[in-house]
Amino acid sequence: SAVISQKPSRDICQRGTSLTIQCQVDSQVTMMFWYRQQPGQSLTLIATANQGSEATYESGFVIDKFPISRPNLTFSTLTVSNMSPEDSSIYLCSVVLDSITEAFFGQGTRLTVV
Amino acid sequence: AQKITQTQPGMFVQEKEAVTLDCTYDTSDPSYGLFWYKQPSSGEMIFLIYQGSYDQQNATEGRYSLNFQKARKSANLVISASQLGDSAMYFCASAGDSSYKLIFGSGTRLLVRP
Repeated sequence: SAVISQKPSRDICQRGTSLTIQCQVDSQVTMMFWYRQQPGQSLTLIATANQGSEATYESGFVIDKFPISRPNLTFSTLTVSNMSPEDSSIYLCSVVLDSITEAFFGQGTRLTVV
Repeated sequence: AQKITQTQPGMFVQEKEAVTLDCTYDTSDPSYGLFWYKQPSSGEMIFLIYQGSYDQQNATEGRYSLNFQKARKSANLVISASQLGDSAMYFCASAGDSSYKLIFGSGTRLLVRP
């Protein structure tokens, strides 16, 4: 497995501000993803974080709202921009190691926007 | 496209008893994997078990086993000898071997009674 460190673990933010979430892995990984879990809901994929290039976003998610960086094979950031209360969710990074048999998650970031 | 269906919003089980959580899937990928995750109230996603679509035997990991019936497109999770610490949300997910993107079901909340 891999040790995945996600920061911050939780935050309370004012509407209109932005928050950057970090995901650090202790080994090089093939794929990194960002998911959102709205209150009482299941997980939804936001985007695939591509190393050295622009992220690939799923339908309903745009780069201006959720800019993502992945400068190397062990680190990625997700920014939630111009936040509104509807962005209150748990945000989770996920990594795939050598093959699809190994897909793990960070501890999650519980975001509350007031 | 992929879809995961978990028809049990909530389940109760007596401590030390076995419980089965249902999951059916629909996918157009010729090769895919099926996953189960546990999410306690802390919000983290804990990987439990993986089953590949071409695996001949059902996967087992300690007290967890996956009852994989490919023709029925079902991947039920069996937890044996339930413990109080098993109380949590459980999510079934699938991913194609080419995309690695996890698609989640709506989850089942399991409550273990003493």
